[in-house]
Amino acid sequence: GENVEQHPSTLSVQEGDSAVIKCTYSDSASNYFPWYKQELGKRPQLIIDIRSNVGEKKDQRIAVTLNKTAKHFSLHITETQPEDSAVYFCAAPRTYKYIFGTGTRLKVLA
Amino acid sequence: GAVVSQHPSRVICKSGTSVKIECRSLDFQATTMFWYRQFPKQSLMLMATSNEGSKATYEQGVEKDKFLINHASLTLSTLTVTSAHPEDSSFYICSARTSGTFYEQYFGPGTRLTVT
Repeated sequence: GENVEQHPSTLSVQEGDSAVIKCTYSDSASNYFPWYKQELGKRPQLIIDIRSNVGEKKDQRIAVTLNKTAKHFSLHITETQPEDSAVYFCAAPRTYKYIFGTGTRLKVLA
Repeated sequence: GAVVSQHPSRVICKSGTSVKIECRSLDFQATTMFWYRQFPKQSLMLMATSNEGSKATYEQGVEKDKFLINHASLTLSTLTVTSAHPEDSSFYICSARTSGTFYEQYFGPGTRLTVT
């Protein structure tokens, strides 16, 4: 079955700097990779996703890259702002279900 | 579109009682709903998959007699925590998948359960 590892578990960056979070997966058949942002006590919000037929997708300050050969995908946040502080989760599908990464607590320091 | 609601948002109950949590898809029909549990500072752990009109599929280690799931319609799934104990205290989140998508899930706002 699918296994998802996420690093780092915590990440502190200065406002304006970039943040990168990486996930690795085990099932080579996985073909959809979402990233979620979760603020304290709230629901996970989908911020970006990528399908396996592309290597990169960008949405303003957020981008996701996918390396199918190495089985890893990364979230890139540029020009970080204090409101980017949250926990970020990656996920990979196992049949119709999601397997979530362990999460990365991002702190953007003003 | 794709809005999912949960009720209640918070509930406090005494040990031994049962609690029902509702998950509704407000503007779409959800053939499949998922129930997750999240402990503080931890990831989302899938408890079970709920399919409309059929029995739920539970993940390994989840007691189906303790966590009763009913998906009676295309817009409503319920999770009942029976004979709740303090260790059942957690954040329970549902998500829903439309029939038109295979992977995309839309999450409810979550229910914080505290068992005293």
